[in-house]
Amino acid sequence: EPEVTQTPSHQVTQMGQEVILRCVPISNHLYFYWYRQILGQKVEFLVSFYNNEISEKSEIFDDQFSVERPDGSNFTLKIRSTKLEDSAMYFCASKGTTYEQYFGPGTRLTVT
Amino acid sequence: SQQGEEDPQALSIQEGENATMNCSYKTSINNLQWYRQNSGRGLVHLILIRSNEREKHSGRLRVTLDTSKKSSSLLITASRAADTASYFCATRGTNAGKSTFGDGTTLTVKP
Repeated sequence: EPEVTQTPSHQVTQMGQEVILRCVPISNHLYFYWYRQILGQKVEFLVSFYNNEISEKSEIFDDQFSVERPDGSNFTLKIRSTKLEDSAMYFCASKGTTYEQYFGPGTRLTVT
Repeated sequence: SQQGEEDPQALSIQEGENATMNCSYKTSINNLQWYRQNSGRGLVHLILIRSNEREKHSGRLRVTLDTSKKSSSLLITASRAADTASYFCATRGTNAGKSTFGDGTTLTVKP
């Protein structure tokens, strides 16, 4: 069964460094999303992406964040200058023509 | 006020018993999905119910949706120790829109 994949599974970075989290959505899907989950808290929406542009973003998704679909298969989330409070699990999701939104296994980002 | 609030926050049952989790939401929705998350792991899609549906079944799972009460329930029948996980409901206002998650119910099934 097709699935969303994410790399790396765990990323440790120092405060102020840039990180890129990578996702490979399900191949025929058109809608892409990033969410995050701070440890012990609920899953929060960051951004949605369709037709090569951002369709919606939350207040969390400030100028430090950007998304890109560089090659038609990958979907990336970049954090330009990481802060301690960016430590969280980051989930990518994708959706095709059906209603279901499928999530990847997540990347655990630890900012030290 | 929050969209997608689950109750109870925690539920502990014996293997073989049924587990019922509830989700309430505030605004109108296009669909509602239930997800499962094992500790520290990813979100596994369980079942989706659209706003014009009232009940859906998938294996041991039964989901109901009452749009007049803005609530949904997830029933897991004949629970197993392997069902131990957190369960989240997530609502979407449009088909392609963002998902808004609740706080989740932590289910513990004792063998």
